[in-house]
Amino acid sequence: DGGITQSPKYLFRKEGQNVTLSCEQNLNHDAMYWYRQDPGQGLRLIYYSQIVNDFQKGDIAEGYSVSREKKESFPLTVTSAQKNPTAFYLCASSTTGGSYNSPLHFGNGTRLTVT
Amino acid sequence: GESVGLHLPTLSVQEGDNSIINCAYSNSASDYFIWYKQESGKGPQFIIDIRSNMDKRQGQRVTVLLNKTVKHLSLQIAATQPGDSAVYFCAENSGGSNYKLTFGKGTLLTVNP
Repeated sequence: DGGITQSPKYLFRKEGQNVTLSCEQNLNHDAMYWYRQDPGQGLRLIYYSQIVNDFQKGDIAEGYSVSREKKESFPLTVTSAQKNPTAFYLCASSTTGGSYNSPLHFGNGTRLTVT
Repeated sequence: GESVGLHLPTLSVQEGDNSIINCAYSNSASDYFIWYKQESGKGPQFIIDIRSNMDKRQGQRVTVLLNKTVKHLSLQIAATQPGDSAVYFCAENSGGSNYKLTFGKGTLLTVNP
């Protein structure tokens, strides 16, 4: 089955450590995204990538970094500079820019807890 | 700033009833709108989308209505089932960029058997 795989589902880290969240898709989508979700909040865009070797900051990019070396993969690193890293992180992909009849497909998320 | 919002944060319905979830948007430049369903511990699942040149679009048991005059979007679910219980989000492509969707905070739909 085609889809988006995020791993791990739960991740625990100590404050001050960088951590990388994995996102892999086999949908042959060009665009990939990272969103953050906090309780009772809508999704907020961290980074997005329209094509391999290119990515842009979203609304809350500070304290995060990404890479897009392969079409299938878009890992997110949560750095120690991120002040409130504990959250539910969602990866998504789309064929282009999430256009009509080509919406964003989401993975099942990684819940990161930093203590 | 302009944002997508929801009229009702929670909605409780009886199984078999129709559900209506509302969403207000304020960015007049948005021309693409989407509804997502999110079950606990999972990622959002696409339900239906609509472009601004349409007023209505129907899917299987779901209908999305768009009223551009009052900047209002609604999701209607027919014959609501327990499996429909979830948080429903609307989203818009604020400013016309499909790469940067703005999501509402969500409405929790609870279906009582």
